[in-house]
Amino acid sequence: AQSVSQHNHHVILSEAASLELGCNYSYGGTVNLFWYVQYPGQHLQLLLKYFSGDPLVKGIKGFEAEFIKSKFSFNLRKPSVQWSDTAEYFCAVRPGGYNKLIFGAGTRLAVHP
Amino acid sequence: GAVVSQHPSRVICKSGTSVKIECRSLDFQATTMFWYRQFPKQSLMLMATSNEGSKATYEQGVEKDKFLINHASLTLSTLTVTSAHPEDSSFYICSAQPLAGGGEQFFGPGTRLTVL
Repeated sequence: AQSVSQHNHHVILSEAASLELGCNYSYGGTVNLFWYVQYPGQHLQLLLKYFSGDPLVKGIKGFEAEFIKSKFSFNLRKPSVQWSDTAEYFCAVRPGGYNKLIFGAGTRLAVHP
Repeated sequence: GAVVSQHPSRVICKSGTSVKIECRSLDFQATTMFWYRQFPKQSLMLMATSNEGSKATYEQGVEKDKFLINHASLTLSTLTVTSAHPEDSSFYICSAQPLAGGGEQFFGPGTRLTVL
């Protein structure tokens, strides 16, 4: 079955620290990849997406993610986090030929000032 | 742009009653809308895919007679939880996929259902 794994369930960082959140998926074919963020009390918002082309994609608020096909991974990164990045982050995959998203369990990030 | 609303944001009902949740795309048309359920501290679980003018496609294990979905127009989908029970208490989230776009989904703010 298709699945998405986010290895870090809970991450705590200090401001200015670097962030990397892992995401791996199990599907051998073409995929579209997404990272969504859910700030406290708000709805899910798209951070960035990968459909094709350059495997390093840049999103909003200084986030980026790299698609490594050989590792079935799409890790999210930010060089220097801010307190306002405190949120829950979800990786999602849309397998080729399917019109639905499969979400990972989410990673709760807490950034301390 | 690309705003999705849900109504109500919060509902409390008695066991055995039915509850209707609306999902609207406010500034775009969506042939496809999705309904998710999110349990506390867990991820979103897709319940069904709603296509305008046709029957919804339900995920395995989701009872279609319990969770009725209607997608009557390009901007509105409704989810009705029939004969709700306490175990149906959850956070229900919809998303909408624009007619013209790259397949991205835009999410609503969710509806918190509590069944007493």
